Formats: sequence, structure tokens, C-alpha cells
Amino acid sequence: DAKTTQPTSMDCAEGRAANLPCNHSTISGNEYVYWYRQIHSQGPQYIIHGLKNNETNEMASLIITEDRKSSTLILPHATLRDTAVYYCIVRPQGGSEKLVFGKGTKLTVNP
Amino acid sequence: DAGVIQSPRHEVTEMGQEVTLRCKPISGHDYLFWYRQTMMRGLELLIYFNNNVPIDDSGMPEDRFSAKMPNASFSTLKIQPSEPRDSAVYFCASSFYRSYPSGTQYFGPGTRLLVL
Repeated sequence: DAKTTQPTSMDCAEGRAANLPCNHSTISGNEYVYWYRQIHSQGPQYIIHGLKNNETNEMASLIITEDRKSSTLILPHATLRDTAVYYCIVRPQGGSEKLVFGKGTKLTVNP
Repeated sequence: DAGVIQSPRHEVTEMGQEVTLRCKPISGHDYLFWYRQTMMRGLELLIYFNNNVPIDDSGMPEDRFSAKMPNASFSTLKIQPSEPRDSAVYFCASSFYRSYPSGTQYFGPGTRLLVL
């Protein structure tokens, strides 16, 4: 599986957009980008995933660069409850169901 | 749906004792995963099952750890004998291969294990 690089921590003001970057320069053509988050003391939670097109759901938007070597998770209006560790993971669609979690980005949303 | 259920939520035991962690996956899911999370090592996959069969146990730290899945609705992770370095949060997760998106795992609340 391709490795990912994320900043260790980020801060964001409540109500503002939070933009979390992820580098995955060795991503393969059949690998998807997944984002999970882990709120303190809880299990990780799926947020969104994509292959090459930008994606949006009720939680977030995912912007993937044209060369697919990096992506950005966008929380459009961050709230205090969005304070969590955000994990960017790349894995093939189908095949092994394994997810390999890195260290992620600790996002702190400040009032 | 109740989600993934884990028990106990907290466990305190003494070194050398046997510890059994339990997991009930979401009904209909065909994959089950056991993870361990520590500050030092982060979130590590220990073992996962497909249709009750262990597929990859390469993350199991040593022979003191064992996992079983006797049926589709129940799995156990056993540590015998336990050691202080086993102190961690243990998560169980499940997924359904034919769901969309594939790769979406649903995590339980975790079991916080402290070995004294």
C-alpha cells in the first residue's frame, strides 16, 4: 500500500473551513484515498473516499490533485466537535480489506 | 443497528492473568478486524477474519495473543499470560465486502486494558 504523509497537527477557528492536506506521491492507479477520523476515546469513523474526482458528502469534501499525488480534506464549517485525529489512507478498491493507519493529523478547532 | 459491540469497556488485571476481549460485529458484515492502539505505536491491525476464517494474523505480537471467530456474530481476542506492555485500547471493527464504499470499516467503542 502507498504511504501517506500528513502534518502532525493543525489548528482551525470554529466556523471556518478546515483544510487537511495529505501527500501520497507513490499512489498506484487502482488505489483509492480514504479519510477517517478519531475523536478522543472513540473508535475511528469513516469520512469520505475518492479515486480521482473530487467528492463531497454530508461530512466533508475531498479534493484530489490531477496527478493524484496529494489530496485535501475540507471541513467547510468546522465545529468544536470536529476536533479529532484525521487519518489519510490509500488502499486498492477490492482485494484485501486491510486499512493501514498512519499517525494522522491532530486537528484542534478553537472557539 | 447497534453498531459494533465490544465488552468489557474497561479491564484492569494483574500481570500473568488471562484476558479475554469480546466483539459482536454488525449483523451481515463478513469481515472482522482487531486493532490495538497505544501512544507509542498508534493504531495497529492485529488480525482480521473473512467469513469467520482468519486471513492475516501477521500483526499479532506473539504467541500470547490468540483470536477466534466461532461464528459470524462473535469474536474473541485472548491474551495469556498478560503483561504490562499489553496495556492499550483494543478496537474491533467490521465491514461488508459488497457495501459501498468497499473499505468502510465500522469501529466499536474499544476496550481499555490496563495490566498492572
